[in-house]
Amino acid sequence: QSALTQPVSVSGSPGQSITISCTGTSSDIGNYNYVSWYQQHPGKAPKLMIFDVSNRPSGVSNRFSGSKSGNTASLTISGLQAEDEADYYCSSYTRSTTLVFGGGTKLTVL
Amino acid sequence: EVQLVESGGDLVQAGRPLRLSCAASGFIFADYAMHWVRQVPGKGLEWVSGISWTSGTVAYADSVKGRFTISRDNAKNSLYLQMNSLRPEDTAFYYCTKDQSGRYFSTFEYWGQGTLVTVSS
Repeated sequence: QSALTQPVSVSGSPGQSITISCTGTSSDIGNYNYVSWYQQHPGKAPKLMIFDVSNRPSGVSNRFSGSKSGNTASLTISGLQAEDEADYYCSSYTRSTTLVFGGGTKLTVL
Repeated sequence: EVQLVESGGDLVQAGRPLRLSCAASGFIFADYAMHWVRQVPGKGLEWVSGISWTSGTVAYADSVKGRFTISRDNAKNSLYLQMNSLRPEDTAFYYCTKDQSGRYFSTFEYWGQGTLVTVSS
C-alpha cells in the first residue's frame, strides 16, 4: 500500500493555471478510474473536488478539472484565485480492494 | 444535508483499546459504503478502513490490520471503529467519510469534522 506520489508544493499567480500530478502504478491509477482529488484548507475537513478521474461534484467550480494518462492522474486549476490556496490530495482505488492517498501538495497563490 | 458526526476520540495509553463512532444523517445510510480516514496533525491523509453497504466487504490499511475492526449498524445509521493495541503512531484526527458507491470503494464524497485520538507512551 505505497502512497501515490505528488509534488510537495506548487505555486502560481492569480489568473494563471497550475497542474498537480499524482503518480501511481498499474495496481491503482493505471487500471482503475476511481481517482479523486480533495482540497483541504487549514483546520478544515477535506472536500471532494474531482471524482472518477474527471467528474466534478455539484457546486465545485469548473475551474477545476481532472485527467489521467497511464499511471498518472492530474488536477488542473485554471484562473487561480486566492481562495484556491490549500492542500490538495489525490486518491485511488487499488487492486487490493483498498484506497490510497497521495502525500499531498501545498498550493500557494502568489 | 449530509451530516457525519464522529465521537469517541480521547487520550489513551499505548496498548489500550478505544472505540470511535460516527452518526450519519441526511442520506440513506444503508445504501453506501463508509470509511475511516486519519490525519496526523500537520501531515497527510491516510485511508484506514472501509466497509461496504451490507458489511460484505471490509478492508484495512496494512498499518492497522489485525488491530482495528470496522463495523456498521444500518438500523442506527452508525459507523464504528474498534481500535485495539493502540500505538503512539496511531495518534491522529480520525474522519468518518461517506463513499459515493454502496458495494464498491471509490470516493470519499462527504467528510465529518474528525475526532482526535491521542495515544501516549
